[in-house]
Amino acid sequence: AQSVTQLDSQVPVFEEAPVELRCNYSSSVSVYLFWYVQYPNQGLQLLLKYLSGSTLVKGINGFEAEFNKSQTSFHLRKPSVHISDTAEYFCAVSGAPNDYKLSFGAGTTVTVRA
Amino acid sequence: KAGVTQTPRYLIKTRGQQVTLSCSPISGHRSVSWYQQTPGQGLQFLFEYFSETQRNKGNFPGRFSGRQFSNSRSEMNVSTLELGDSALYLCASSLEGITDTQYFGPGTRLTVL
Repeated sequence: AQSVTQLDSQVPVFEEAPVELRCNYSSSVSVYLFWYVQYPNQGLQLLLKYLSGSTLVKGINGFEAEFNKSQTSFHLRKPSVHISDTAEYFCAVSGAPNDYKLSFGAGTTVTVRA
Repeated sequence: KAGVTQTPRYLIKTRGQQVTLSCSPISGHRSVSWYQQTPGQGLQFLFEYFSETQRNKGNFPGRFSGRQFSNSRSEMNVSTLELGDSALYLCASSLEGITDTQYFGPGTRLTVL
């Protein structure tokens, strides 16, 4: 079975500062990795995903993540955050190739302050 | 292009009742997944359907069931509701499965009294 651990439950950050959200995964098989964002009272939106290939993945809204197999990590980064990035962020894993489900971490709440 | 639609958006039921939630995927999407979101347990996978076939099921009791119709619309049913079933139920659709972008609906907020 696959699982993810998000190492920070809350991350406060000032506007225009960089942010990193940490995610470690555990799996005995090949995995697909994802980051989702959830704004208040909304569903989830995909930020980026790693399926294979380049370990540096670029997503929407200036986010990027790096897949590190040796450290079983998939940390999310943004060089400069905006107030509008205030949201909850979820890391998720799926076992390749036929798992058909996402296993989510507990989430990281990012609060951006002016 | 219309997004994933979930109905109803809010629902209040009492213990022991049953409930049916509906999900209409994005046009052309054949995979539909359901997740339960609660403050205590977070996001948990319920089941996934593709072309009317259930391909995976999460660790939920048999009171939770689902189905998918030939037009890819999906329903989930919870029988004999318990207080702990209060949650946000999210539906996601994609073209064929997990490697395609999953588009989530806004969810159905179920409150069990």
